[in-house]
Formats: sequence, C-alpha cells, structure tokens
Amino acid sequence: KAGVTQTPRYLIKTRGQQVTLSCSPISGHRSVSWYQQTPGQGLQFLFEYFSETQRNKGNFPGRFSGRQFSNSRSEMNVSTLELGDSALYLCASSPFTGGYEQYFGPGTRLTVT
Amino acid sequence: EDQVTQSPEALRLQEGESSSLNCSYTVSGLRGLFWYRQDPGKGPEFLFTLYSAGEEKEKERLKATLTKKESFLHITAPKPEDSATYLCAVRNSGNTPLVFGKGTRLSVIA
Repeated sequence: KAGVTQTPRYLIKTRGQQVTLSCSPISGHRSVSWYQQTPGQGLQFLFEYFSETQRNKGNFPGRFSGRQFSNSRSEMNVSTLELGDSALYLCASSPFTGGYEQYFGPGTRLTVT
Repeated sequence: EDQVTQSPEALRLQEGESSSLNCSYTVSGLRGLFWYRQDPGKGPEFLFTLYSAGEEKEKERLKATLTKKESFLHITAPKPEDSATYLCAVRNSGNTPLVFGKGTRLSVIA
C-alpha cells in the first residue's frame, strides 16, 4: 500500500508571497493532520481534517489555512509568508480521527527568503 | 493542558550498549501514547502505540513500556542504524490533537 505523499518536497518563496502544499493520504484513510516542524519548537500541530471537516485547529495565525477534498486529499495554504514560516511541513494520515496512530509523509521543506 | 517531556535530549551510545529513553506525560485521560522514529530530513516513522499502564510492545531491538506517568523506550544492543531522533506523543480522551515531545536524539557509534 502506498504511503503518504506530499508535494512539492522543496520550496523556496519570498516574504509576502503565498504557498499551497498538497498531501495525499494512504488509501482508505479519512483523517489528515498537518504539522510544522522547526528545530526550536519541535512538531507543532496545525490542523486536522476528517471527512472534509476541520476537527481541530492549532494555535497558528489565520494566515495558515487548509482544506480536505472528498477523496481525502488535503491542501494547506500559507498567505503573506514571513521568514519565521521556514520549516518542514508534515502531513499525517490515519484511518479515523481519535486515538489511532498517524502515518507521516516525507514533508515539504519550505524556505522563506 | 497536555504535556510531554522527553529525556535525555541527546544520547550517545557505543554499539551494543543498551539504554532507555524516557517520555513523561501529563494528560487528562490517556487515549494513546505513540512512539516514532525520525531520520534527518524525513517524516516520522510510526513505531508503537500503547494504550494502558502495564502494556509493552516490542520490535527488533526496541521495547516500549507504559506506566501511568511515563513511558520508556528500551534499546537493546543498539546498532549504528538505530541512530535517529525518537519522538513520543500522547492523545487524550477528548477531541484534541496529538501532543509531541521535543524528542531524544540518539547516536550509536560503531
């Protein structure tokens, strides 16, 4: 069974631009979560989607948004990029929401200059 | 607020030298405790889920245990390929997301 895929893998953007990252979950998984990982803060939760509905949202500004499609694929968008948004953005999928293990993709490395 | 603290931050072992990593947690009703391994520049790889105190899981040289306040990841006779960052995360009984610790960076020297 194919794992979680994320595109693009690497991205370089300029301050003030916006970016859209994409995630395809494992086949049959309906829950998708997004995380930001930086050396100083570790893994920080962004949001979780289940059946196209946002179930949870982390403590990030409104510039960070996401959505999930009917085929469970998910996108996250960051508008008006700041230097501090440089990070590894990870997507994870699980069969359902709740106490199930999450399986992570390889991540998208975003660099903001 | 749920909290996860991992110790030590970094651990350097000789090949074959067994040790344990600690994950202390505070959670309002544990729904699951998860261990992950992360290699540099890659996404975390799922290792174990533990649900209740006294539970143990094993995989090759790794064994995870759980008490009401902490979990241990025991590494027996480690090899250089076990070098990675090991992450611990918890989920509580409410509809809240996973909370991750900062991880333990393990280096195994041949």
